[in-house]
Amino acid sequence: NAGVMQNPRHLVRRRGQEARLRCSPMKGHSHVYWYRQLPEEGLKFMVYLQKENIIDESGMPKERFSAEFPKEGPSILRIQQVVRGDSAAYFCASSLPASGINEQFFGPGTRLTVL
Amino acid sequence: QKEVEQDPGPLSVPEGAIVSLNCTYSNSAFQYFMWYRQYSRKGPELLMYTYSSGNKEDGRFTAQVDKSSKYISLFIRDSQPSDSATYLCASGGSYSTLTFGKGTMLLVSP
Repeated sequence: NAGVMQNPRHLVRRRGQEARLRCSPMKGHSHVYWYRQLPEEGLKFMVYLQKENIIDESGMPKERFSAEFPKEGPSILRIQQVVRGDSAAYFCASSLPASGINEQFFGPGTRLTVL
Repeated sequence: QKEVEQDPGPLSVPEGAIVSLNCTYSNSAFQYFMWYRQYSRKGPELLMYTYSSGNKEDGRFTAQVDKSSKYISLFIRDSQPSDSATYLCASGGSYSTLTFGKGTMLLVSP
């Protein structure tokens, strides 16, 4: 049973370009969470999605960032017009349909570097 | 006040020592308490979770929650060099997202 998969593992973009990060949840998991981790910082929640629905985007910057989890295919975190401050590790986690116990399993992350 | 606080360390111990890692939290609505281990440049790996107050044991690891003092602990017995990693505590309520501490770096020397 494959774990959470993320690609690419490393992504380099120049300022102003777009970054697209993909996350495939564990088999049977229909909930996806995106987190950002800066050096010396903890994991910061960005957005929580179910298939075709954004449940909680309270941690996502209002501009340039968007996320989706379509009926088919991976969840995608999109960052438009990237800036140097977007350089970070972005982690995706998945969980089973909510049962009260929010066990989240993480992928290996995508390390974004903005030049 | 941050919702989940952790001493960043590093915490250095010799092999075989008992390690105590701690967090405090401020949100009384939190009911679930998780511990994740993160090796350098890897994703966090779920170690244990507990619900409400009490202890939970799994091999060399024991998780403890004291809701009255909003204190979360992870004990590692007979620590090994392979336990060297950053340990993240996380808390949340039912059907809610998790709030993470910044993590404590643990170094176990042979």
